Amino acid sequence: SQTIHQWPATLVQPVGSPLSLECTVEGTSNPNLYWYRQAAGRGLQLLFYSVGIGQISSEVPQNLSASRPQDRQFILSSKKLLLSDSGFYLCASKGTGDQPQHFGDGTRLSIL
Amino acid sequence: KNQVEQSPQSLIILEGKNCTLQCNYTVSPFSNLRWYKQDTGRGPVSLTIMTFSENTKSNGRYTATLDADTKQSSLHITASQLSDSASYICVVNTGFQKLVFGTGTRLLVSP
Repeated sequence: SQTIHQWPATLVQPVGSPLSLECTVEGTSNPNLYWYRQAAGRGLQLLFYSVGIGQISSEVPQNLSASRPQDRQFILSSKKLLLSDSGFYLCASKGTGDQPQHFGDGTRLSIL
Repeated sequence: KNQVEQSPQSLIILEGKNCTLQCNYTVSPFSNLRWYKQDTGRGPVSLTIMTFSENTKSNGRYTATLDADTKQSSLHITASQLSDSASYICVVNTGFQKLVFGTGTRLLVSP
């Protein structure tokens, strides 16, 4: 089965600093990959998804960007963090058909 | 607008008791509906999947129902355990790589 690795687990960054969150996937090949943000008391919000290397779709206009340099690597970045970027960021992977999305354990990002 | 609403927002029950969580959705098109369990500080984990033609599906002490006519689903937990304390998220798949997430029900099982 798939395993999603996310790091770091927690991160505290000052406003205006850059960001790079990494997600790697094991146990599958050519998955669809997703970045979500989960705010307290809110549902998961899809930020980006990717169906292949170098292919990124953005769901909402924002201060963040994503890249997929390798089949099983998905990176979430920002050049300058805003206070509103605080949240719990989840990476997910999905194979074909009715397979569920498998989630990593997330990164809790706090912006000071 | 595609929406998934869950109730109650939070729930406290005694260990060993049963409970039922509700999910109402206004999502179109509909491909399937999943219930996820999310432990605090962890990613969600899929419990069950319901397709349009399925009414009931069980996974151990978890039983999900789906009424596609009224666009309602429920998750029943039998003989609750302390480890059932978590958030339960209802997710509807439109079939176009798009999932619509509910805000979840936070369940606390008390000893």
